[in-house]
Formats: sequence, C-alpha cells, structure tokens
Amino acid sequence: DAGITQSPRYKITETGRQVTLMCHQTWSHSYMFWYRQDLGHGLRLIYYSAAADITDKGEVPDGYVVSRSKTENFPLTLESATRSQTSVYFCASSESMGDRERTEAFFGQGTRLTVV
Amino acid sequence: AQSVTQLDSHVSVSEGTPVLLRCNYSSSYSPSLFWYVQHPNKGLQLLLKYTSAATLVKGINGFEAEFKKSETSFHLTKPSAHMSDAAEYFCVVSDITDKLIFGTGTRLQVFP
Repeated sequence: DAGITQSPRYKITETGRQVTLMCHQTWSHSYMFWYRQDLGHGLRLIYYSAAADITDKGEVPDGYVVSRSKTENFPLTLESATRSQTSVYFCASSESMGDRERTEAFFGQGTRLTVV
Repeated sequence: AQSVTQLDSHVSVSEGTPVLLRCNYSSSYSPSLFWYVQHPNKGLQLLLKYTSAATLVKGINGFEAEFKKSETSFHLTKPSAHMSDAAEYFCVVSDITDKLIFGTGTRLQVFP
C-alpha cells in the first residue's frame, strides 16, 4: 500500500532495553522526520533526514539513534529505554522542504510506546 | 528562532456555531504556516497551508485561515461546526532550516 507506515503500533518495553521503531514510506520522499507527542508539548522533533545517509538532530535527540541507509526507511532506536521516553512517536515524510509550494509533511499513524 | 503559540488549549462550541482557533507565530522572515488536524488515535492530516500567495487560505472540510503579518497571526476558522470536527488542531510554522515547528495544540470539542 502506498503511504507511510509505522510499526509496531503499540509497544511495551522495560527500562534499559533497546527498542527500535520502524518507519517506511513508499513515495521516495527525500525528507523524513521523527517526532514525539506528549501532553502539553505538542509534537517535538527528535531527528530528521534530508536524504539517505544524511541525518541531523532535532529539538530532543538525547537517548535516540537514527539511521537511513535506504530512502524509504527511517528507523528510530532507543538505545536504553527510560520511563521519560514513554510517548507517542510519529514518523513523517516530505517531498521537499525548501520549495514552499511543495512543502507538506505526511504522517504515519503513530507508535504508542510505554516504558515500564 | 521561529515559534508558534496556540492561545487556547481547549475550545468548546455547539454544533452549527462558528469555530475560531487562535495561533500566533514568531519568525524573523516570511514563514510558511500550516494547520494540521489529529483525530483520536489517528495520525496528523494537513488542513491547509500558507506559502506566501493569497493571505486567505481555504482548506479541507470548510476550514480557512487568514495570514495577518501585522498581527503575526494565522487563526483557523469555520463558519459552522460539525460533530466530526472534534479533534486536536496544531498550528505549525516552517523554520529557516525548513523543519516544522509545532504549537502545543488546541483540543476542539463540539457539543450537540
């Protein structure tokens, strides 16, 4: 199916464990993003990528690692999960961010992560 | 740095009455501005965007927003609320490095 998909949709993990959230898009969009959504904070950018093998930190990158070996995939890894990383995580992609008319981010359905 | 402030965390309206969700932005250059909607347990969907053309922007589902540079505002309006409009709404600004900066959201409740 065309679009942007995240997996898993729900995940419960223990403190200290490594967990990877997957994101896959079928549009070949250059840009991909990871956000976390917490009550009272809206969505905050964790990491983003302008192209394969190019990644950069967002507002709240600590404790997270990303990679982008292929244009269509952008996994997010929590190296050692903490309770403060309990959140809803959204992946997004965009064809272009520099062209005003083409700038639009498409979001996945989200992954609800609980760290116990 | 760019930022966006949504002035109301919650807005409640009756079905059939107008909706106003307020957003102010801060930007050192001419920004792109967006409104996204998030229905319960769903992802985010683009409602509309302003990219420097017409200052009055029409979006999906009867929503529109007006860019007012003098007031640094981008308020979202709809003439007549529908029950299906109940959702969380986010005002978003595109910053100078073209990342999207989100407001904290406004939860819209619609009563019958």
